[in-house]
Amino acid sequence: EVQLVESGGGLVQPGGSLRLSCAASGFTFSSYWVTWVRQAPGKGLEWVANIKQDGSEMYYVDSVKGRFTISRDNAKNSLFLQMNSLRAEDTAVYYCARRRGSYCFDYWGQGTLVTVSS
Amino acid sequence: QSALTQPASVSGSPGQSITISCTGTSSDVGGYNYVSWYQQHPGKAPKLLIYEVSNRPSGVSNRFSGSKSDNTASLTISGLQAEDEADYYCSSYSTTSTLVVFGGGTKLTVL
Repeated sequence: EVQLVESGGGLVQPGGSLRLSCAASGFTFSSYWVTWVRQAPGKGLEWVANIKQDGSEMYYVDSVKGRFTISRDNAKNSLFLQMNSLRAEDTAVYYCARRRGSYCFDYWGQGTLVTVSS
Repeated sequence: QSALTQPASVSGSPGQSITISCTGTSSDVGGYNYVSWYQQHPGKAPKLLIYEVSNRPSGVSNRFSGSKSDNTASLTISGLQAEDEADYYCSSYSTTSTLVVFGGGTKLTVL
């Protein structure tokens, strides 16, 4: 059974940092692109970042470029999102998801809440 | 403001059919057959319903179907059931700097 389990969310002050993790199981993690998608409270979904199977290519939404870094550890079946210089508008539930070849996301984690507030 | 435009809400009675539209541009919906649809119940993670415009993943009911014409994609749910009440999101590959764009979501109410 494919499982994705996020962790690392919490309350952080504006300008602070947080590192999210996503533990994958039930599939060959190193064979898939993986992604972070976020959802602000009461709002819609927003794609945040993608990383290629071997970690050689990463893509980001403009609003997080230069502040967020996506990475992965295939030996530990894990995906990460390092978030720096956090802003109030980064407040959201962050989901990790497995990406199919056709730019869709077929498995999702349960999400982890990040709250940026003083 | 979301890149793809969806109606904020739709409603229907049990047994009826409804259609949710998703309008983009030639840089996303109109240019590629990489349109997907997701269902999200309150407090839950999204679930993939349709990929590549009209394909259903294994396990998704055939009451859900997708199509596309020019820059507008559509999700049709036939034989509405109470458990279909949820938020629905479309998404598409995009040639803009945002690799994947989502619609703003449509809340489906089953009357």
